[in-house]
Amino acid sequence: GAGVSQSPSNKVTEKGKDVELRCDPISGHTALYWYRQSLGQGLEFLIYFQGNSAPDKSGLPSDRFSAERTGGSVSTLTIQRTQQEDSAVYLCASSFRTGVPTDTQYFGPGTRLTVL
Amino acid sequence: AQSVTQLGSHVSVSEGALVLLRCNYSSSVPPYLFWYVQYPNQGLQLLLKYTSAATLVKGINGFEAEFKKSETSFHLTKPSAHMSDAAEYFCAVSDRGGATNKLIFGTGTLLAVQP
Repeated sequence: GAGVSQSPSNKVTEKGKDVELRCDPISGHTALYWYRQSLGQGLEFLIYFQGNSAPDKSGLPSDRFSAERTGGSVSTLTIQRTQQEDSAVYLCASSFRTGVPTDTQYFGPGTRLTVL
Repeated sequence: AQSVTQLGSHVSVSEGALVLLRCNYSSSVPPYLFWYVQYPNQGLQLLLKYTSAATLVKGINGFEAEFKKSETSFHLTKPSAHMSDAAEYFCAVSDRGGATNKLIFGTGTLLAVQP
């Protein structure tokens, strides 16, 4: 079956511009996660969705970052006024159930964001 | 708070040799542990996971890991390395302190396989 997909695969933008990153989770998965992978910080959690609500936004690095999920499916991560330190690979993951720590998180291929 | 530590950011082995990638965890509650592999320009793929059912866990591609509570370790092994095993490997623990079960990752180990 189809896995987690993300678009675009690569995004190059200029400092100060806004960007939107999209995640399509596996159909039927209720939990959705965004992570960021960068050279300096490794793999770090950003935000968690349970259905359409986001009970944990603790990993978002600043108020320039926001995310939403609609219809219990697609999620969009928005970064406003991008900075060079935002350059990273943004990974989306989904799992079948919420509240089950042993459920496997399935990852998408990521969006590589480069801020010039 | 839970965390994992991966010893050795780079490991190099010869084809056919034993692969041993080290992971130690810190957790105040029984941990759930995962190993993921990342091939170049790809996302993370689950190799195996420990969910307290059995201490020796077998995964895909011939990998296995043993949970040792006394050593707080969850090392990943493969008896015979193949060229296709060259990738970056991440150990992770599920954050059971909150409600999200987000994964907390180690810093990764880049495995090189020499012919």
